Amino acid sequence: GEEVAQTPKHLVRGEGQKAKLYCAPIKGHSYVFWYQQVLKNEFKFLISFQNENVFDETGMPKERFSAKCLPNSPCSLEIQATKLEDSAVYFCASSLKTDTQYFGPGTRLTVL
Amino acid sequence: AQSVSQHNHHVILSEAASLELGCNYSYGGTVNLFWYVQYPGQHLQLLLKYFSGDPLVKGIKGFEAEFIKSKFSFNLRKPSVQWSDTAEYFCAVSRTAGNNRKLIWGLGTSLAVNP
Repeated sequence: GEEVAQTPKHLVRGEGQKAKLYCAPIKGHSYVFWYQQVLKNEFKFLISFQNENVFDETGMPKERFSAKCLPNSPCSLEIQATKLEDSAVYFCASSLKTDTQYFGPGTRLTVL
Repeated sequence: AQSVSQHNHHVILSEAASLELGCNYSYGGTVNLFWYVQYPGQHLQLLLKYFSGDPLVKGIKGFEAEFIKSKFSFNLRKPSVQWSDTAEYFCAVSRTAGNNRKLIWGLGTSLAVNP
């Protein structure tokens, strides 16, 4: 597609539950990025992929967060055992090569 | 470590006023520079970008930005704002070396334009 698609739009989880977010990059884009936006301003880089390969995961809290980009499937970001501080908007972006990133609408995760 | 600072956290202007939002970054190498905008209820949209060449770049909706390498700055400007420019504005930077293009973000500037 011509836009980055993210589902669901909103997700509510109780503390300790699992959360799974999905991202469909723009068709033909090789790079996918995940960012976490907390409190409406601070963006934090989580992970990036080049096709199905992890490119940079230096931002991921690995003990609870995992992500995949498999061929012919949306990319996913999974949080095992969510915590209150995971409440944020999670943005996915894709780029054709290593240039401009185009963002999806985000998934708002609320952990209660 | 690479960082981006935006000097103005909240800006309130009247329509037709001029706008300048500051952005400075810290990184010794060459960078790509971006301004993104987030209108209320909408997702991030690219306003403009600088990769190389003319340091004065023009973006959408009458915005422009100037890259001043010696000052590590990439300030956003608009000569005359409109009510519809009310939004959050984010400056972001990525390295040009290697293929790692993760964006490092400023904390954003909230702009409110009064009609």
